[in-house]
Amino acid sequence: DAKTTQPTSMDCAEGRAANLPCNHSTISGNEYVYWYRQIHSQGPQYIIHGLKNNETNEMASLIITEDRKSSTLILPHATLRDTAVYYCIVRTHSGGGADGLTFGKGTHLIIQP
Amino acid sequence: DTEVTQTPKHLVMGMTNKKSLKCEQHMGHRAMYWYKQKAKKPPELMFVYSYEKLSINESVPSRFSPECPNSSLLNLHLHALQPEDSALYLCASSHSSRVGSYEQYFGPGTRLTVT
Repeated sequence: DAKTTQPTSMDCAEGRAANLPCNHSTISGNEYVYWYRQIHSQGPQYIIHGLKNNETNEMASLIITEDRKSSTLILPHATLRDTAVYYCIVRTHSGGGADGLTFGKGTHLIIQP
Repeated sequence: DTEVTQTPKHLVMGMTNKKSLKCEQHMGHRAMYWYKQKAKKPPELMFVYSYEKLSINESVPSRFSPECPNSSLLNLHLHALQPEDSALYLCASSHSSRVGSYEQYFGPGTRLTVT
């Protein structure tokens, strides 16, 4: 799986949009971009994933650049409960999906009141 | 129901003890996973079960023994652990062979302390 690079930490004011970048310059054509987050002392939580088109769900939006070498996760109206470590993971859907996730160090997002 | 449950929440065991961690899901997922997470580190994959068969073992020491008795249950049997095995043990599940739906659902974890 391709390697990802994320900033170690970021701050965002409550109520503002949080934009979390991820670089994945070695991504292959069949690799998807997944985002998970882990709130302190909880298990990771799936947020969103995409291949090349932008995606939106009730939690967030995912913007993938045209060359697919980077992406941005957008939390439109951040709340204190969004304080967490956010992991950007690149993976294929081969093997029937039953392969493990390789977590990088992630971005510690801190929402400031 | 999108919940993965894990028991116990906390476990303290001595190096000579035998204990088991339990994980359960009722989402019809046929892939289940064990991860280990040390403090301030990301989760690391230990085992993957697909259709109740062990498909991935990430070179985990034999003192950790996984078991998948049925499609809803996953156990991790622990024996002769070392203090450095103290960590948060996370279970996850996902669909398998279902295109476009490979997100993993994680349980809250079992925090294990080996004394």
